[in-house]
Amino acid sequence: KQEVTQIPAALSVPEGENLVLNCSFTDSAIYNLQWFRQDPGKGLTSLLLIQSSQREQTSGRLNASLDKSSGRSTLYIAASQPGDSATYLCAVHPPPYGKVIFGPGTSLSVIP
Amino acid sequence: KAGVTQTPRYLIKTRGQQVTLSCSPISGHRSVSWYQQTPGQGLQFLFEYFSETQRNKGNFPGRFSGRQFSNSRSEMNVSTLELGDSALYLCASSLGVVPRDTRIETQYFGPGTRLLVL
Repeated sequence: KQEVTQIPAALSVPEGENLVLNCSFTDSAIYNLQWFRQDPGKGLTSLLLIQSSQREQTSGRLNASLDKSSGRSTLYIAASQPGDSATYLCAVHPPPYGKVIFGPGTSLSVIP
Repeated sequence: KAGVTQTPRYLIKTRGQQVTLSCSPISGHRSVSWYQQTPGQGLQFLFEYFSETQRNKGNFPGRFSGRQFSNSRSEMNVSTLELGDSALYLCASSLGVVPRDTRIETQYFGPGTRLLVL
């Protein structure tokens, strides 16, 4: 059974710091892994999608890596800003196609 | 291109009632997935519909059901509501098939319907 965990559960950093969020999954048989952002009371915003054949993806100040063999992904945020404050969710897409499993999220607070 | 829309956005019901939530996917998307988000359990997969058929199902009781119409719009129904059904219900749409182009196939999420059961 696929399970997804995220460490840490919460993180508070001063503005400008670089930070890393971690995601682990138990079964390496996945189509892809996706990182989302969720603001309080809102829906999900997709940040990065890494296909199973890829090692990393970058978008602006965000970089996500995937090590399928070890069941790990990291989301690197460079030069954090107060606007980055949100909950970050990692999700894997295992077979059968069409069902996504989410981690519990990391709540990030960037202090001005 | 319009995004995923969900109606209603907010809903208040009492225990024992039933509720129907609606999700309109992005044009051209044939898959709609439903998720329940609660503070205690996080985001949990309810079910997925593809071409009017339920293709995947999570571990929820039979009180939770859904359907998909020929235009890919989907509805989710919860019967005999319980206090624990209070949650944010999210739907997501996607093409629904394993893509040849590995750059695509992101699930696009709607804003959600917040259900409060009293």
